[in-house]
Amino acid sequence: GAGVSQTPSNKVTEKGKYVELRCDPISGHTALYWYRQSLGQGPEFLIYFQGTGAADDSGLPNDRFFAVRPEGSVSTLKIQRTERGDSAVYLCASSLSLGDSGELFFGEGSRLTVL
Amino acid sequence: EDKVVQSPLSLVVHEGDTVTLNCSYEVTNFRSLLWYKQEKKAPTFLFMLTSSGIEKKSGRLSSILDKKELSSILNITATQTGDSAIYLCAGPSYGGSQGNLIFGKGTKLSVKP
Repeated sequence: GAGVSQTPSNKVTEKGKYVELRCDPISGHTALYWYRQSLGQGPEFLIYFQGTGAADDSGLPNDRFFAVRPEGSVSTLKIQRTERGDSAVYLCASSLSLGDSGELFFGEGSRLTVL
Repeated sequence: EDKVVQSPLSLVVHEGDTVTLNCSYEVTNFRSLLWYKQEKKAPTFLFMLTSSGIEKKSGRLSSILDKKELSSILNITATQTGDSAIYLCAGPSYGGSQGNLIFGKGTKLSVKP
């Protein structure tokens, strides 16, 4: 497809389980971002990749969260030992580069529910 | 700590009304301010503002930045039901990468027929 694709769209898991969320950016976009959005809040920055490397991971809340982008395209956000507070919509975005336009292209998100 | 504050948090208007949404941006080192529209899940880009006093316009939507006051307004004229959405304001975090955006909570706009 032409847009940013995220899977799964919905994930329900139990507290303590491991979860992986996948993001397939727009073809040719070198920059990729993960945000999470809780109900009634704006998106909260987690991590930014430029190519294969994490250029800014200052938003990851703790060491249970980890993200990879091994070939500079698809990215996976990994959450270990999930907690109820991790429940949120995880949004992925991509862009050609940081550039001057400020335009990030967001996917539809993965809604994570931790029971 | 950098902060983006939007007002009002929600707004209900009727078709044809004009609305003004507000964003104030408390930052250590201003670089830019962005507006996004979130209808269901994926936010979509509207404007990026870097220069004070210069209006950006796209159809019925327009936005202007007051760099001195570190604030911006988003105007929507002749509103339509399709304008119903959450409007998000954001700016780059001080010391973070340009892609490390701080978002406000958004203004939820409901346009009634």
